[in-house]
Amino acid sequence: GAGVSQSPRYKVAKRGQDVALRCDPISGHVSLFWYQQALGQGPEFLTYFQNEAQLDKSGLPSDRFFAERPEGSVSTLKIQRTQQEDSAVYLCASSTSTGGNQPQHFGDGTRLSIL
Amino acid sequence: DQQVKQNSPSLSVQEGRISILNCDYTNSMFDYFLWYKKYPAEGPTFLISISSIKDKNEDGRFTVFLNKSAKHLSLHIVPSQPGDSAVYFCAASESNFGNEKLTFGTGTRLTIIP
Repeated sequence: GAGVSQSPRYKVAKRGQDVALRCDPISGHVSLFWYQQALGQGPEFLTYFQNEAQLDKSGLPSDRFFAERPEGSVSTLKIQRTQQEDSAVYLCASSTSTGGNQPQHFGDGTRLSIL
Repeated sequence: DQQVKQNSPSLSVQEGRISILNCDYTNSMFDYFLWYKKYPAEGPTFLISISSIKDKNEDGRFTVFLNKSAKHLSLHIVPSQPGDSAVYFCAASESNFGNEKLTFGTGTRLTIIP
């Protein structure tokens, strides 16, 4: 399909395990964003890439969270030593350019459950 | 500190009538505003946006109004259809300042009654 693709759709992990979440943005989209959505809340910003450069990681909750986009396309969000409070839906979004006023288009998310 | 607020968690509207969803913001640096629609187990779908240089933007059944002095925006859906039943999120960014991250409200669940 032509939309943002995220995998896996669901992930269950035990507390303390490491997880990796993948995002395939829309082809040609320069900007890529990760958001975290807790139950009953709106998505909250985690980090932003422009091509392969991570320009803003101010929303990452701790140093256990790490994101990369090495070739400026696919991105991976990694969470080390997971905790129960990491349980949430992780959403990826992409947009066409770095200019202002471009809507972000979202994938369906990865629902992460930490037991 | 909630910079984008949707004070109505839910709204029910009769099919065919107008649905009005409201959103308030506190950050005067926000200059780009968007509405997203979300179905269960899916990601948010972009509906309509408005730049701070405008006060209205229309796309089919959807119209967004922006009142900068009141720091308020609203989404009008007319006529409302059963397929419009979903959670609606208001979002904002400081786009022209090079800060494209979106700040979201907590959402309003819209139910269209047939």
